[in-house]
Amino acid sequence: SQQGEEDPQALSIQEGENATMNCSYKTSINNLQWYRQNSGRGLVHLILIRSNEREKHSGRLRVTLDTSKKSSSLWITASRAADTASYFCATFQTGANNLFFGTGTRLTVIP
Amino acid sequence: DTAVSQTPKYLVTQMGNDKSIKCEQNLGHDTMYWYKQDSKKFLKIMFSYNNKELIINETVPNRFSPKSPDKAHLNLHINSLELGDSAVYFCASSLVGENTEAFFGQGTRLTVV
Repeated sequence: SQQGEEDPQALSIQEGENATMNCSYKTSINNLQWYRQNSGRGLVHLILIRSNEREKHSGRLRVTLDTSKKSSSLWITASRAADTASYFCATFQTGANNLFFGTGTRLTVIP
Repeated sequence: DTAVSQTPKYLVTQMGNDKSIKCEQNLGHDTMYWYKQDSKKFLKIMFSYNNKELIINETVPNRFSPKSPDKAHLNLHINSLELGDSAVYFCASSLVGENTEAFFGQGTRLTVV
């Protein structure tokens, strides 16, 4: 399967805490992207990290990429109730003209 | 001024019917996609179109057919609907190239009864 896997499947934290989500994939990639999906809505792009990058920041988001381990992590610092959503990693795979999505992590931030 | 818009948002229909879902993007993107999200939230690529040319078809039954009248539109037509087709279908678009993000529509929740 070209689909990646994320863990945990679900994560519940208190507001103000940091959240960490992990993504593993199987094939060679050009880049890895993280998306957010609020309940009943479409996906929204958060951040893109290229295969030759190891770390990237965007506001309260931090993403790392380890191509040797075929894994990525997304950190959300100082979480807020509004961060409650599902988070998906997606890989743009070498030789493919498409994004393949992971299984998602459901994050709940408790006020 | 919605970037990627899909209609309808909800679609309830009986088995055996034929239905279409429309998608339009006003971003000037060259590539459009259809994804299926099942009840477990797995997102699976169905089709992508680049300048009216189908470039990916991921083992989707031929009851599903994408139709692109122009590069701003990619409609999804489904023949002989089955119960297993019930899912949320997302349209998306992006620029050509590997380091670009995809923009998604709000989804169409299809329920086959």
